[in-house]
Amino acid sequence: QVQLQESGPGLVRPSETLSLTCAVSDFSITTADYFWGWIRQPPGKGLDWIGTIAQFGRTFYNPSLKSRVTIFVDTSKNELSLKLSSVTAADTAVYYCVRDRGNGCADSWGQGTLVTVSS
Amino acid sequence: QSALTQPRSVSGSPGQSVTISCTGTISDVGAGNYVSWYQQHPGRAPKLVIYDVTKRPSGVPDRFSGSKSGNTASLTISGLQAEDEADYYCWSLADVADGYVTVGGGTKVTVL
Repeated sequence: QVQLQESGPGLVRPSETLSLTCAVSDFSITTADYFWGWIRQPPGKGLDWIGTIAQFGRTFYNPSLKSRVTIFVDTSKNELSLKLSSVTAADTAVYYCVRDRGNGCADSWGQGTLVTVSS
Repeated sequence: QSALTQPRSVSGSPGQSVTISCTGTISDVGAGNYVSWYQQHPGRAPKLVIYDVTKRPSGVPDRFSGSKSGNTASLTISGLQAEDEADYYCWSLADVADGYVTVGGGTKVTVL
């Protein structure tokens, strides 16, 4: 049973870069046919798909965030990471890391971590 | 505004059936069989309940079923139970080449 655990600062200043890490346990992040991704949920609102990364580092991003987002993996640590630059209050959300079956289906989720953008 | 349209809320009594619709376009829901549904209880992470339009992950009760007609996908919960009260979100792979996923705004299911 794969386990995902997000970590990172809970508070980020406006205009700075949000950085989160997701530790993946009991499943290799290099397993074929699986993608890894990030989803966020602003307080009291719906889900917002950020992007995923596939084997060999190919990335897929939400067009509305594409200019600010970077998703990458560290295979030596079996970790997934997210960087979101030039954040504003609108980026305040619970951020989830997910395992994706490669067809846009997130079959495993981390518990989520709240990131607040505020000065 | 979400790319996929869901009703804000649906409700039903225990034992009844409820159906949630998810309307997209020929470019996403109508393009293939990559629609998934997620259940989210308050304060919890979402949980996959249906994928590839009709498939149920291991452990999900068979009272959850999915279907699709044209550009509209549907999630039906039969024999509604108290624990089914939650928010439900539909997703669709919008572009196989670009791997972009579109998301519905969510539907609150209330068990009366």
